[in-house]
Amino acid sequence: EPEVTQTPSHQVTQMGQEVILRCVPISNHLYFYWYRQILGQKVEFLVSFYNNEISEKSEIFDDQFSVERPDGSNFTLKIRSTKLEDSAMYFCASSEAGVPGGSAQYFGPGTRLTVL
Amino acid sequence: GQSLEQPSEVTAVEGAIVQINCTYQTSGFYGLSWYQQHDGGAPTFLSYNALDGLEETGRFSSFLSRSDSYGYLLLQELQMKDSASYFCAVEAAGNKLTFGGGTRVLVKP
Repeated sequence: EPEVTQTPSHQVTQMGQEVILRCVPISNHLYFYWYRQILGQKVEFLVSFYNNEISEKSEIFDDQFSVERPDGSNFTLKIRSTKLEDSAMYFCASSEAGVPGGSAQYFGPGTRLTVL
Repeated sequence: GQSLEQPSEVTAVEGAIVQINCTYQTSGFYGLSWYQQHDGGAPTFLSYNALDGLEETGRFSSFLSRSDSYGYLLLQELQMKDSASYFCAVEAAGNKLTFGGGTRVLVKP
C-alpha cells in the first residue's frame, strides 16, 4: 500500500539554525500539506500546496517558513532560523483531490524536531 | 476562524459502544473528518461527512448535522487496539484541516 514517507525521523538543531524537513507524498496525489503537533496538543495546519504554489497557509506559517517541491517526488519544509517554540512533530500529508470532494489526507510518520 | 469542541477522554470496556461528539464553529465549511492517532503515531483517516446523515465504515460510523454544527463518531464492538486519540477536523477552503483537541479513548478488558 502506498504511503507518505518523511526524513529524518528525528532532527535536533540549535536555535537560529536552518532545517529542512523532507517528505515524499504518495505518487498520484496532487495536494500536499504540512502540519505540526506540539507534544500532547492537537494537530495544527501549517500550509497546503497544489500545482506548485501555496493554496492556504496559517498564521503559524510566517516568513521563517517556506515550502518547495524541488522535483517530481519530494516536498520540503524549510525553517530558516529555528526558535525553541518550533520544537514539535511535523507531519507531511497528501491527498488525491481537494475539497469539496472530501479526499482523505494521508499522513506520514512525522519528523520530531527538537530545537535546543 | 474555526473552533472545535470534543470531550477530552472516554473510558469503556471491550465490546462496548462509544460515541464521541464534536461541535464546531467555522467561517467556512466543506465537511467533517475523523482521524485516529495512536501514541507516537501519525493521524490516520477514518471517515468524512459532507452531507447530513450517517456514514458507516465497518465498526466505525460518523454522523453530521450541518444545521446543528455537530457531528459524532461511533465506535462499535470496541477492541483493545481502538485505544487511541480520535480527532474531529473541519475541512475548509485551501484543503485546510482544522483539528479539534482530540478525545483519548481508553479501552479496558
